[in-house]
Amino acid sequence: ILNVEQSPQSLHVQEGDSTNFTCSFPSSNFYALHWYRWETAKSPEALFVMTLNGDEKKKGRISATLNTKEGYSYLYIKGSQPEDSATYLCAFYYNTDKLIFGTGTRLQVFP
Amino acid sequence: EAQVTQNPRYLITVTGKKLTVTCSQNMNHEYMSWYRQDPGLGLRQIYYSMNVEVTDKGDVPEGYKVSRKEKRNFPLILESPSPNQTSLYFCASSYRGPEDSPLHFGNGTRLTVT
Repeated sequence: ILNVEQSPQSLHVQEGDSTNFTCSFPSSNFYALHWYRWETAKSPEALFVMTLNGDEKKKGRISATLNTKEGYSYLYIKGSQPEDSATYLCAFYYNTDKLIFGTGTRLQVFP
Repeated sequence: EAQVTQNPRYLITVTGKKLTVTCSQNMNHEYMSWYRQDPGLGLRQIYYSMNVEVTDKGDVPEGYKVSRKEKRNFPLILESPSPNQTSLYFCASSYRGPEDSPLHFGNGTRLTVT
C-alpha cells in the first residue's frame, strides 16, 4: 500500500511567522502532487496541482515546491495570519487513477 | 455558481436500512469521486468515475455502490449500512482527472449508522 506522509502533524505559530511543512511520497510512478487547504467545518479547497520535478507554485503568501526524484514537496506560508489556520493536505496521484491523501498538517496561527 | 452539491448534510440511520447520498456537479467535469474521512486517517477513496458509465473501485469500496448514468450525478449507495460506515463523506469532481486538475469538493455528508 502506497503511503503519503505529512510532517509535522500539527504546528502552532505566532502571527507574522513564516512556516513550512513537508509532504513525502513514493518517488516511483509519479503523476501529480496536490495541495489542499481544509478549514474546520468546511470542505477542502485546492491550492496547487504540481506535475513536474522542480515545479514551484505560488498563490499569495503560500508557495510550494516539488522534488519528484526524492519524493517530497514543501508548502511555505510567509507571514502567517490567523485566517491561515487550517489543515493542509497533500495528495499523491500515481498511475492507477487513484489519489492518495496524507493525514494533513494542522496549522494554528495565534494573534 | 460552480459547485459540487451533496445531500443530505447529516444523516442518522439504522443498520441495514438502504440509503443513497446524492452528488451533483454543474461544471461539466469528467472525473468524480467519493471519499470518507475518519479520525486519524487521511481521506480514503471509495469509488471514482472517469466518465459516464465508467466507474472503478478506490481503496475502501466494500459495502458501497455507485453509478454514473449522467455526467453531472454520482450517487453513493449503501445497500445495507453498518456502524463501521459511520463517517464523514465527501464527493469531489475535477475537469479531466487528478493527473492535472484539482478536485472540487462538496460540503460533506456526516453519516451515523446505529
